[in-house]
Amino acid sequence: DAGITQSPRHKVTETGTPVTLRCHQTENHRYMYWYRQDPGHGLRLIHYSYGVKDTDKGEVSDGYSVSRSKTEDFLLTLESATSSQTSVYFCAIATGEQFFGPGTRLTVL
Amino acid sequence: AQKVTQAQTEISVVEKEDVTLDCVYETRDTTYYLFWYKQPPSGELVFLIRRNSFDEQNEISGRYSWNFQKSTSSFNFTITASQVVDSAVYFCALSEAGNTGKLIFGQGTTLQVKP
Repeated sequence: DAGITQSPRHKVTETGTPVTLRCHQTENHRYMYWYRQDPGHGLRLIHYSYGVKDTDKGEVSDGYSVSRSKTEDFLLTLESATSSQTSVYFCAIATGEQFFGPGTRLTVL
Repeated sequence: AQKVTQAQTEISVVEKEDVTLDCVYETRDTTYYLFWYKQPPSGELVFLIRRNSFDEQNEISGRYSWNFQKSTSSFNFTITASQVVDSAVYFCALSEAGNTGKLIFGQGTTLQVKP
């Protein structure tokens, strides 16, 4: 168990509302990632972090922002949620391998 | 650009059959890593294996084996004597060398093992 938790695990929200997903790790790893999983696309990288306050964009970063003020927490924010952001969101940490959190299922109505 | 292709969208086999899941990748890096993950119906992603580009030895772990061939840019995964518990979505992924470790995933192959 890599010690990664995500909250909330499920969320239903309405178009136009802001949403923040939290990833928490207990292992003090430097690298953290946010991916989204959609049918037919596998997982795609949204943003990643290589240290406190150090973040960069991934393949599908439009409409998302991230913050990392502490090593253990990596937040993903949808500033104004859209239906196309309905997805399952996974957080991961890198230790050589990448270990994933349990996922957050987000539905935007 | 890096790319991973899993051409088999769905595979259905009967228990005890052997099954091979194909993975083809594209990269210009000379140093890279290849991964396989399992996603059972419960939804979590389970790490299975990581292989670096300099190690072409096949690997066997119980009923699982992996065949890495740089000449064909393939990293195939075989399950021997499949079991119902092997039913899951399997993802192949590629990571560039260096410290970022960003993963490029294939689309996934859904394996159904029938009793």
